[in-house]
Amino acid sequence: EAEVAQSPRYKITEKSQAVAFWCDPISGHATLYWYRQILGQGPELLVQFQDESVVDDSQLPKDRFSAERLKGVDSTLKIQPAELGDSAMYLCASSSHGGGPEAFFGQGTRLTVV
Amino acid sequence: QKEVEQNSGPLSVPEGAIASLNCTYSDRGSQSFFWYRQYSGKSPELIMSIYSNGDKEDGRFTAQLNKASQYVSLLIRDSQPSDSATYLCAVNGKAGTALIFGKGTTLSVSS
Repeated sequence: EAEVAQSPRYKITEKSQAVAFWCDPISGHATLYWYRQILGQGPELLVQFQDESVVDDSQLPKDRFSAERLKGVDSTLKIQPAELGDSAMYLCASSSHGGGPEAFFGQGTRLTVV
Repeated sequence: QKEVEQNSGPLSVPEGAIASLNCTYSDRGSQSFFWYRQYSGKSPELIMSIYSNGDKEDGRFTAQLNKASQYVSLLIRDSQPSDSATYLCAVNGKAGTALIFGKGTTLSVSS
């Protein structure tokens, strides 16, 4: 069964360190999303890609967060420097361009900043 | 600010009962509506989608949409303990935009 792959599953990092997350969407899915979910809240969009182009990064804290999808396939989300408030689940999702807008999520990366 | 509102719960129902989860949204131009189930510590899993007014049934799940009232609901019939999870309502505005999620309703089904 096709699925969105994310790594790592868990990450503990110290405040002010750099951290990176990787996502490989379902094959053929042109749209890729990074969401952040704080415990007890719903997922909130950080960035949306259509192929290799950023469609929406209005909620991405650009002073410390960056995202790229260089070849329009897999993607990396980076935080530098990490802050205590960045502790959350980072979710990657993908959807099929031209198909339904349903988004399918990967297993997520649980980030803890100490 | 486009919003999706859900009661956070917890909603507690006995095994075999009907669970009713509700969601309202602020963007009248919203076109697509989804329910995701999220078990504790896991990622959201798509369980229902609905695009037009009325009911859509899939097994024990029924999604209901009323665009005039900007209201979406999910009914779970014959609730099972395995249905205990957080249910996220998600709404999509114009084509090509990302889903906006509510905070989720926690459902607890007791045996």
